[in-house]
Amino acid sequence: DIQMTQSPSSLSASVGDRVTITCRASQYINNCLNWYQQKPGIAPKLLIYAASSLQGGVPSRFSGSGSGTDFTLTISSLQPEDFATYYCQQTYSVPRSFGPGTKVDI
Amino acid sequence: QVQLQQWGAGLLKPSETLSLTCAVYSGSFSGYYWSWIRQPPGNGLEWIGEIDHSGSANYNSSLTSRVTISVDTSKNHLSLNLNSVTAADTAIYFCARTLWGSYRPLDSWGQGTLVTVSS
Repeated sequence: DIQMTQSPSSLSASVGDRVTITCRASQYINNCLNWYQQKPGIAPKLLIYAASSLQGGVPSRFSGSGSGTDFTLTISSLQPEDFATYYCQQTYSVPRSFGPGTKVDI
Repeated sequence: QVQLQQWGAGLLKPSETLSLTCAVYSGSFSGYYWSWIRQPPGNGLEWIGEIDHSGSANYNSSLTSRVTISVDTSKNHLSLNLNSVTAADTAIYFCARTLWGSYRPLDSWGQGTLVTVSS
């Protein structure tokens, strides 16, 4: 099975900050990497698919990059509604595992 | 816009079978995969498995011996059965629509169902 790690596990930031979250796969996954945002008590929301493609309706301040084993999610200017937990997920092979999450708070 | 509504028993005893159903409204059922994901309270997401409209399924190897995902295309329903549950199966369970192709993004989610396993 492919193991996913994320760093940091949590971070504190301010409105307007540039935030970068890293996701690493234990083996090659090409660009089969998706990013989700989850707020407390709510189902996750798809932000980025195929490592760098922005899901429709998602603000352009969100961007993704990477290929192979190392990936990043960047929020260019953090907004109040962005305080949440972010998960990466590899879809290269079964089981389609998630990273442990990165909590972004104030 | 597609909507996923899920339901099922929320309290189980150890060794019982978890059964959840997810109904798909306002959208096509065929042409997609459909997935189940769970989240223990306060913890991260765990992928359970996926199925296409024809019934071809993939499962998490950690659950394969206990889990069955099925579809009823006549009702646009997706189902999850997990037998011999223990306290470790206590979690919020989500169904999700999964786009076809290599990237399988989960683009629409159900509201989640909390299932608690306790004697």
